[in-house]
Amino acid sequence: AQSVAQPEDQVNVAEGNPLTVKCTYSVSGNPYLFWYVQYPNRGLQFLLKYITGDNLVKGSYGFEAEFNKSQTSFHLKKPSALVSDSALYFCAVREVGNQGGKLIFGQGTELSVKP
Amino acid sequence: GAGVSQTPSNKVTEKGKYVELRCDPISGHTALYWYRQSLGQGPEFLIYFQGTGAADDSGLPNDRFFAVRPEGSVSTLKIQRTERGDSAVYLCASSSPGTYYEQYFGPGTRLTVT
Repeated sequence: AQSVAQPEDQVNVAEGNPLTVKCTYSVSGNPYLFWYVQYPNRGLQFLLKYITGDNLVKGSYGFEAEFNKSQTSFHLKKPSALVSDSALYFCAVREVGNQGGKLIFGQGTELSVKP
Repeated sequence: GAGVSQTPSNKVTEKGKYVELRCDPISGHTALYWYRQSLGQGPEFLIYFQGTGAADDSGLPNDRFFAVRPEGSVSTLKIQRTERGDSAVYLCASSSPGTYYEQYFGPGTRLTVT
């Protein structure tokens, strides 16, 4: 069965410092991987995805993520955090070949960036 | 362009009542998904439509839940005999096959069963 783990419920970072939000996944085949962000009382917003190719993918708002097949990880990163990055972040996986396209989500990591 | 819209944004109902939640996907998106998000959790898949047909309804928790998409655009999620445990935010998403099923989400409907 597919699954996603986000081991940290909360990540605290000072503004201007680099941030990392961790994600590991489990699928029986090759994965499509996604990061979404959720601001209070708003829907999920797509940040970035890994489909194939370069293991480092770049997305919206300066975020990037690194796909590591051997460690089955897809950690979200940003070189310099902003207070406005404070939000709830979700990692999601879909198995390649899954025609249904349903996403399996982690339980989320709350990112707090302090000035 | 317009994103995914969902109505109502909030719905309060009494235990045992019937509710309908509506989703209007992005124009031209053939795939439509419903997810349920409980407090402190990630979204959980409920059902997926490709066109008018439900291609995967494996996430529907029981037969009180049903969804339709009669014309391949707007979808309605229907919940019969609501229970307090149904209280959650119901999210709708749509996607186009040309974008590797990148899903675009609506703002959700917060359902509270009292």
